[in-house]
Amino acid sequence: NAGVTQTPKFRVLKTGQSMTLLCAQDMNHEYMYWYRQDPGMGLRLIHYSVGEGTTAKGEVPDGYNVSRLKKQNFLLGLESAAPSQTSVYFCASSGTARPQETQYFGPGTRLLVL
Amino acid sequence: SQKIEQNSEALNIQEGKTATLTCNYTNYSPAYLQWYRQDPGRGPVFLLLIRENEKEKRKERLKVTFDTTLKQSLFHITASQPADSATYLCALRGSGTYKYIFGTGTRLKVLA
Repeated sequence: NAGVTQTPKFRVLKTGQSMTLLCAQDMNHEYMYWYRQDPGMGLRLIHYSVGEGTTAKGEVPDGYNVSRLKKQNFLLGLESAAPSQTSVYFCASSGTARPQETQYFGPGTRLLVL
Repeated sequence: SQKIEQNSEALNIQEGKTATLTCNYTNYSPAYLQWYRQDPGRGPVFLLLIRENEKEKRKERLKVTFDTTLKQSLFHITASQPADSATYLCALRGSGTYKYIFGTGTRLKVLA
């Protein structure tokens, strides 16, 4: 069991470039989440999904898009990167079996936008 | 607006002592409260969940309390060890939503 994996681990972008972050989980979880973590701000929810084919906005969705075409994958897209999107991005998943509340986090993707 | 407060200053304690971390919240009525551990450069790891109708939860050396009147949760690590040094995050979720709100975390350093 790999748990939750994220690709890539680190990326440098120039302002205006686009990219996609991939999150994959092998635990057959229904729920998946994308967070960003910035110093002094804690984890903030960007988008989440409650099942294959569904997505919903979180606390800070502007500038990001997501897709959940397959149950095991949750993609986060940056259409036109801005320096304010420099952050560490974490993906998480949780299942429907108890303890259903537990979120399993990936190792994170460090993104630097110049 | 909803707010979660954790002590932003690092907490230093001696090995063997009990560490107590605080999570306070305002403008919120959480049904569930979680504590996570995060090591530098890694994702958070789930430790404990407590529900609004539970006063206390224990797991090995860990204990969590949840006081909905005071709007506060306390997280205790007894017989602390240097390996317990990490940042600890609290997260809250209301009923009827899938979304958790996280605090900024408190860094704990256990001195040998």
